[in-house]
Amino acid sequence: GQQVMQIPQYQHVQEGEDFTTYCNSSTTLSNIQWYKQRPGGHPVFLIQLVKSGEVKKQKRLTFQFGEAKKNSSLHITATQTTDVGTYFCAVIASNTGKLIFGQGTTLQVKP
Amino acid sequence: GAGVSQSPSNKVTEKGKDVELRCDPISGHTALYWYRQSLGQGLEFLIYFQGNSAPDKSGLPSDRFSAERTGGSVSTLTIQRTQQEDSAVYLCASSFTGGNNQPQHFGDGTRLSIL
Repeated sequence: GQQVMQIPQYQHVQEGEDFTTYCNSSTTLSNIQWYKQRPGGHPVFLIQLVKSGEVKKQKRLTFQFGEAKKNSSLHITATQTTDVGTYFCAVIASNTGKLIFGQGTTLQVKP
Repeated sequence: GAGVSQSPSNKVTEKGKDVELRCDPISGHTALYWYRQSLGQGLEFLIYFQGNSAPDKSGLPSDRFSAERTGGSVSTLTIQRTQQEDSAVYLCASSFTGGNNQPQHFGDGTRLSIL
Protein backbone atom coordinates (compact mmCIF):
# COMPACT_ATOMS: atom_id res chain seq x y z
CA GLY A 1 0.00 0.00 0.00
CA GLN A 2 0.97 3.61 -0.33
CA GLN A 3 3.30 4.91 2.34
CA VAL A 4 4.77 8.24 3.18
CA MET A 5 8.01 8.79 5.10
CA GLN A 6 8.44 11.86 7.22
CA ILE A 7 11.76 13.06 8.64
CA PRO A 8 13.10 13.91 11.10
CA GLN A 9 11.05 12.29 13.83
CA TYR A 10 12.12 14.87 16.41
CA GLN A 11 13.76 18.26 16.24
CA HIS A 12 14.91 20.50 19.08
CA VAL A 13 15.77 24.08 18.16
CA GLN A 14 16.60 27.27 19.96
CA GLU A 15 13.96 29.94 19.62
CA GLY A 16 14.75 32.01 16.56
CA GLU A 17 16.33 29.15 14.62
CA ASP A 18 14.75 27.76 11.48
CA PHE A 19 13.08 24.34 11.20
CA THR A 20 12.26 22.06 8.29
CA THR A 21 10.37 18.79 8.07
CA TYR A 22 10.27 16.61 4.96
CA CYS A 23 7.72 14.21 3.59
CA ASN A 24 8.68 11.66 0.92
CA SER A 25 6.68 9.21 -1.15
CA SER A 26 7.81 6.52 -3.59
CA THR A 27 4.82 7.25 -5.83
CA THR A 28 3.54 10.39 -7.46
CA LEU A 29 1.02 12.18 -5.32
CA SER A 30 -2.16 13.94 -6.41
CA ASN A 31 -1.88 16.34 -3.53
CA ILE A 32 -0.47 16.65 -0.01
CA GLN A 33 -1.86 18.10 3.16
CA TRP A 34 -0.11 19.37 6.27
CA TYR A 35 -1.46 19.32 9.81
CA LYS A 36 -0.25 20.61 13.17
CA GLN A 37 -1.00 19.00 16.49
CA ARG A 38 -0.25 21.00 19.62
CA PRO A 39 0.62 19.05 22.78
CA GLY A 40 -2.60 17.67 24.24
CA GLY A 41 -4.59 18.78 21.21
CA HIS A 42 -5.87 17.28 18.01
CA PRO A 43 -4.45 17.67 14.50
CA VAL A 44 -5.49 20.86 12.75
CA PHE A 45 -5.39 21.30 9.00
CA LEU A 46 -2.80 23.85 7.83
CA ILE A 47 -2.68 23.70 4.05
CA GLN A 48 -3.00 21.61 0.91
CA LEU A 49 -0.62 21.58 -2.05
CA VAL A 50 -1.76 20.36 -5.44
CA LYS A 51 0.47 21.65 -8.20
CA SER A 52 3.96 20.49 -9.14
CA GLY A 53 6.55 22.85 -7.66
CA GLU A 54 3.92 24.74 -5.72
CA VAL A 55 5.06 27.03 -2.90
CA LYS A 56 2.67 28.49 -0.37
CA LYS A 57 3.37 30.72 2.61
CA GLN A 58 1.54 31.31 5.84
CA LYS A 59 3.40 34.00 7.78
CA ARG A 60 6.64 32.27 8.89
CA LEU A 61 5.64 28.89 7.41
CA THR A 62 6.63 27.96 3.86
CA PHE A 63 5.22 24.84 2.23
CA GLN A 64 6.69 23.32 -0.93
CA PHE A 65 5.57 20.53 -3.24
CA GLY A 66 8.31 18.91 -5.28
CA GLU A 67 8.49 19.14 -9.05
CA ALA A 68 7.90 15.40 -9.36
CA LYS A 69 5.09 15.56 -6.77
CA LYS A 70 6.80 12.89 -4.68
CA ASN A 71 8.00 15.02 -1.80
CA SER A 72 7.08 18.05 0.20
CA SER A 73 8.57 20.22 2.89
CA LEU A 74 7.41 22.56 5.61
CA HIS A 75 9.88 25.24 6.65
CA ILE A 76 9.44 27.53 9.65
CA THR A 77 11.55 30.67 9.76
CA ALA A 78 12.65 32.05 13.14
CA THR A 79 10.79 29.57 15.31
CA GLN A 80 8.78 30.72 18.29
CA THR A 81 7.58 28.75 21.31
CA THR A 82 4.10 28.80 19.82
CA ASP A 83 5.41 26.60 16.99
CA VAL A 84 5.86 23.69 19.39
CA GLY A 85 3.93 20.59 18.35
CA THR A 86 3.89 17.72 15.90
CA TYR A 87 3.64 18.40 12.19
CA PHE A 88 2.08 15.72 10.00
CA CYS A 89 1.91 15.40 6.26
CA ALA A 90 -0.95 13.42 4.75
CA VAL A 91 -1.49 12.01 1.28
CA ILE A 92 -4.36 10.39 -0.57
CA ALA A 93 -4.05 6.68 -1.34
CA SER A 94 -4.66 6.47 -5.08
CA ASN A 95 -6.59 3.19 -4.94
CA THR A 96 -8.95 3.93 -2.05
CA GLY A 97 -9.09 7.69 -1.65
CA LYS A 98 -8.15 7.21 1.99
CA LEU A 99 -5.98 9.86 3.62
CA ILE A 100 -2.69 8.43 4.92
CA PHE A 101 -0.66 10.30 7.53
CA GLY A 102 3.08 10.38 7.92
CA GLN A 103 4.57 9.59 11.32
CA GLY A 104 4.99 13.26 12.14
CA THR A 105 7.86 15.49 13.18
CA THR A 106 7.76 16.71 16.76
CA LEU A 107 9.24 20.17 17.20
CA GLN A 108 10.52 21.42 20.54
CA VAL A 109 11.57 25.06 20.83
CA LYS A 110 13.82 26.20 23.66
CA PRO A 111 13.16 29.79 24.75
CA GLY B 1 -21.38 23.29 17.72
CA ALA B 2 -20.05 23.15 14.20
CA GLY B 3 -17.09 20.87 14.83
CA VAL B 4 -16.59 17.13 15.21
CA SER B 5 -17.86 15.99 18.58
CA GLN B 6 -16.57 12.94 20.41
CA SER B 7 -17.80 11.36 23.60
CA PRO B 8 -16.85 10.56 26.21
CA SER B 9 -13.77 12.78 26.44
CA ASN B 10 -12.24 10.41 28.97
CA LYS B 11 -12.99 6.78 29.73
CA VAL B 12 -11.41 4.65 32.42
CA THR B 13 -12.39 1.02 32.55
CA GLU B 14 -11.18 -2.31 33.77
CA LYS B 15 -9.44 -4.82 31.59
CA GLY B 16 -11.92 -7.17 29.97
CA LYS B 17 -14.81 -4.71 29.80
CA ASP B 18 -16.34 -3.52 26.55
CA VAL B 19 -16.27 0.18 25.63
CA GLU B 20 -18.15 2.21 23.09
CA LEU B 21 -16.83 5.49 21.74
CA ARG B 22 -19.00 7.93 19.83
CA CYS B 23 -18.28 10.39 17.05
CA ASP B 24 -20.64 13.05 15.68
CA PRO B 25 -19.14 14.35 12.43
CA ILE B 26 -19.73 17.76 10.95
CA SER B 27 -23.14 17.86 9.32
CA GLY B 28 -22.92 17.06 5.62
CA HIS B 29 -19.53 15.38 5.82
CA THR B 30 -19.65 12.04 4.06
CA ALA B 31 -16.20 10.75 4.99
CA LEU B 32 -15.41 9.65 8.53
CA TYR B 33 -12.18 8.24 9.93
CA TRP B 34 -11.16 6.69 13.23
CA TYR B 35 -7.55 6.85 14.39
CA ARG B 36 -5.69 5.70 17.46
CA GLN B 37 -2.84 7.70 18.93
CA SER B 38 -0.65 6.37 21.71
CA LEU B 39 1.34 8.81 23.83
CA GLY B 40 3.94 10.58 21.74
CA GLN B 41 3.15 8.51 18.67
CA GLY B 42 1.67 9.17 15.26
CA LEU B 43 -1.84 8.56 13.99
CA GLU B 44 -2.70 4.90 13.56
CA PHE B 45 -5.48 4.49 11.01
CA LEU B 46 -8.31 2.23 12.17
CA ILE B 47 -11.31 2.50 9.86
CA TYR B 48 -12.68 4.74 7.10
CA PHE B 49 -16.32 5.28 6.10
CA GLN B 50 -17.16 6.97 2.81
CA GLY B 51 -20.81 7.58 2.07
CA ASN B 52 -22.70 4.34 1.51
CA SER B 53 -19.64 2.38 0.44
CA ALA B 54 -18.38 -0.59 2.43
CA PRO B 55 -16.01 0.72 5.11
CA ASP B 56 -12.27 0.25 4.86
CA LYS B 57 -11.54 -1.79 7.97
CA SER B 58 -7.96 -2.56 7.08
CA GLY B 59 -6.56 -0.72 10.10
CA LEU B 60 -8.52 -2.47 12.83
CA PRO B 61 -5.88 -4.21 14.98
CA SER B 62 -7.97 -7.23 16.00
CA ASP B 63 -11.47 -8.66 15.86
CA ARG B 64 -12.14 -7.07 19.24
CA PHE B 65 -12.47 -3.78 17.38
CA SER B 66 -15.53 -2.89 15.34
CA ALA B 67 -17.19 0.27 14.14
CA GLU B 68 -20.42 1.26 12.53
CA ARG B 69 -21.88 4.37 11.08
CA THR B 70 -25.63 4.65 11.21
CA GLY B 71 -27.54 6.77 8.74
CA GLY B 72 -24.32 8.08 7.27
CA SER B 73 -23.77 10.33 10.27
CA VAL B 74 -22.92 9.25 13.82
CA SER B 75 -20.30 6.56 14.24
CA THR B 76 -19.49 4.31 17.16
CA LEU B 77 -16.24 2.46 17.73
CA THR B 78 -16.59 -0.58 19.96
CA ILE B 79 -13.75 -2.36 21.68
CA GLN B 80 -14.65 -5.68 23.24
CA ARG B 81 -12.75 -7.37 26.06
CA THR B 82 -10.41 -4.42 26.43
CA GLN B 83 -6.70 -4.98 27.05
CA GLN B 84 -4.18 -2.62 28.61
CA GLU B 85 -2.53 -2.07 25.24
CA ASP B 86 -5.81 -0.53 24.03
CA SER B 87 -5.06 2.51 26.21
CA ALA B 88 -4.68 5.48 23.87
CA VAL B 89 -6.45 8.53 22.52
CA TYR B 90 -9.04 7.62 19.90
CA LEU B 91 -9.54 10.39 17.36
CA CYS B 92 -12.36 10.78 14.91
CA ALA B 93 -12.18 12.99 11.83
CA SER B 94 -14.63 13.88 9.10
CA SER B 95 -14.34 15.55 5.74
CA PHE B 96 -16.70 16.84 3.11
CA THR B 97 -16.17 14.76 0.05
CA GLY B 98 -16.83 16.55 -3.16
CA GLY B 99 -13.51 15.10 -4.30
CA ASN B 100 -10.58 13.46 -2.57
CA ASN B 101 -8.80 16.64 -1.59
CA GLN B 102 -10.82 17.80 1.36
CA PRO B 103 -9.19 18.64 4.70
CA GLN B 104 -10.00 16.48 7.67
CA HIS B 105 -11.58 18.02 10.73
CA PHE B 106 -10.70 16.27 13.97
CA GLY B 107 -12.58 15.94 17.20
CA ASP B 108 -10.88 16.36 20.56
CA GLY B 109 -10.65 12.59 20.97
CA THR B 110 -11.52 10.11 23.67
CA ARG B 111 -8.72 9.29 26.09
CA LEU B 112 -9.16 5.63 26.96
CA SER B 113 -7.39 4.16 29.97
CA ILE B 114 -7.56 0.44 30.69
CA LEU B 115 -6.70 -0.52 34.24
